[in-house]
Amino acid sequence: DGGITQSPKYLFRKEGQNVTLSCEQNLNHDAMYWYRQDPGQGLRLIYYSQIVNDFQKGDIAEGYSVSREKKESFPLTVTSAQKNPTAFYLCASSFSGASYEQYFGPGTRLTVT
Amino acid sequence: EDQVTQSPEALRLQEGESSSLNCSYTVSGLRGLFWYRQDPGKGPEFLFTLYSAGEEKEKERLKATLTKKESFLHITAPKPEDSATYLCAVQGGRQFYFGTGTSLTVIP
Repeated sequence: DGGITQSPKYLFRKEGQNVTLSCEQNLNHDAMYWYRQDPGQGLRLIYYSQIVNDFQKGDIAEGYSVSREKKESFPLTVTSAQKNPTAFYLCASSFSGASYEQYFGPGTRLTVT
Repeated sequence: EDQVTQSPEALRLQEGESSSLNCSYTVSGLRGLFWYRQDPGKGPEFLFTLYSAGEEKEKERLKATLTKKESFLHITAPKPEDSATYLCAVQGGRQFYFGTGTSLTVIP
């Protein structure tokens, strides 16, 4: 079964701790994305990567970091510098090129207290 | 400013009562317009891609249409299982812009 997996589904952390969210895809997609979803707001782009070992900041990259060492994997680290980290995080992937739809994972809900 | 606006924010329909959801955009250089369905606590599920004005796509009770400035998602004779939030996204250049969604509730 092809798809995108995110783990864990729920994550709880104390303030001041870094936390890493996992995203894996077996769709052979070149591009991967991380979004944040908050109530009443559209999805906001955190980081994206078009190819392995390369990634770009999105609209709200401050306090986050990523890596893209493998085509299938694009982990997101939420650092202690992120001022309001509690949110629903979504990973997506797509083929690269002119215009391709993005496919989303099931999401990780992060709660920081 | 590039943006995507969806209306209404929320819609309640009786089972079988057809209606339309709107997605208007002011994104230059349209590359594609995408519709997604999102259930509570889950990731968005891809529904349709539209590339040019006049294009239409259908899937079961859903039909998406596109003009130069907006897209409509028509829902014909909805059922309770169609209840979800419907998201619209527009690609302009390399950027994707998402609307805030329309929350649809279909009452039996």
